Amino acid sequence: AQSVTQLGSHVSVSEGALVLLRCNYSSSVPPYLFWYVQYPNQGLQLLLKYTSAATLVKGINGFEAEFKKSETSFHLTKPSAHMSDAAEYFCAVSLNTGNQFYFGTGTSLTVIP
Amino acid sequence: EPEVTQTPSHQVTQMGQEVILRCVPISNHLYFYWYRQILGQKVEFLVSFYNNEISEKSEIFDDQFSVERPDGSNFTLKIRSTKLEDSAMYFCASSEVTDTQYFGPGTRLTVL
Repeated sequence: AQSVTQLGSHVSVSEGALVLLRCNYSSSVPPYLFWYVQYPNQGLQLLLKYTSAATLVKGINGFEAEFKKSETSFHLTKPSAHMSDAAEYFCAVSLNTGNQFYFGTGTSLTVIP
Repeated sequence: EPEVTQTPSHQVTQMGQEVILRCVPISNHLYFYWYRQILGQKVEFLVSFYNNEISEKSEIFDDQFSVERPDGSNFTLKIRSTKLEDSAMYFCASSEVTDTQYFGPGTRLTVL
């Protein structure tokens, strides 16, 4: 069975500080991995995805994530937090095209001025 | 940029009533999905739909739920007899033959 674990349901960082949101997955086969962001009262917006190409993936808004197979991790980072980054972030895994996504429980990011 | 749209944005209904949530997927996409997010919880898969039939469904998707693609553009989720625990945000998503699912803004369903 596939599962996604996001360590830390709430993360607070100061504006300008490094953002690190953790995601670990379990999968029986090499997965597709995604990060989505959800702003208050809005839907899920794709930040970035890993689909077996480069292990370091760059996304929108300055975010990037690195796929580490040995650690079964896909942590999301951003060098310098901005106030507008405050949102809920979800990591998701899929096995194949057309398959369901398995979501983590989400991490709420607060950016302190 | 093409996007998934959903109507209504908020639906309030009485327990036991039927509701239909509507979605218009991105036009060239072939796979369609419904997910739900109960307040404060994670996003959960309900069902996927491809080639005019259900391709996968979760335990949540019981006989009270059904999906339909009544025409070439809409994709609907029907809940026959709503329960209090059906209150959630329902997200529609679609994908083409690639992997990425694009999500709509959601419909907030409140069952009283």
